Amino acid sequence: SQTIHQWPATLVQPVGSPLSLECTVEGTSNPNLYWYRQAAGRGLQLLFYSVGIGQISSEVPQNLSASRPQDRQFILSSKKLLLSDSGFYLCAWSVPPTAVRNTIYFGEGSWLTVV
Amino acid sequence: GESVGLHLPTLSVQEGDNSIINCAYSNSASDYFIWYKQESGKGPQFIIDIRSNMDKRQGQRVTVLLNKTVKHLSLQIAATQPGDSAVYFCAAREGSYIPTFGRGTSLIVHP
Repeated sequence: SQTIHQWPATLVQPVGSPLSLECTVEGTSNPNLYWYRQAAGRGLQLLFYSVGIGQISSEVPQNLSASRPQDRQFILSSKKLLLSDSGFYLCAWSVPPTAVRNTIYFGEGSWLTVV
Repeated sequence: GESVGLHLPTLSVQEGDNSIINCAYSNSASDYFIWYKQESGKGPQFIIDIRSNMDKRQGQRVTVLLNKTVKHLSLQIAATQPGDSAVYFCAAREGSYIPTFGRGTSLIVHP
């Protein structure tokens, strides 16, 4: 079965410091990968998605970037964090969207507090 | 673009009652719908999905109903338990596009 791992689970970072959140998926190949942010109010904001190695689409211009160095690895980064980057970050995966049932499956999330 | 919204931000029920969580979508071309459950501090968890060629789909204690005429879907939870307390999201997808998520309804189950 497929599993998704995301880490770290929580982190507290000072303003201006770098960020790296990592995500790996097991049990599938060539998945679509996603980074979402969930702020207070529970809405899910799509930040980045990737359909293959090195292929990144950004949905919202911001202080963050994403990379996909391997087929099942997705990394969310920032060179200098802002207070507004605080939130709950979720990595997710799905089969390619040509599939009839294109369910998105989420990781357990990473709580980021920028102080 | 697609917008997806839930009718109530919070729903309170008594343990043992049936719960109904509603969701409306705007894009009549949406052809696939998903319900998620998110417990506090965790990622959303897939509950059940339904394609637009169906009106109803049942799982374990859950039923999803789809009304394409009014662009509405609902999640029914039978015999609601305290462990069902969570935020519930619906999502709608058109074709190969990425699903659009609603904001979530918080279900509170009172013992």
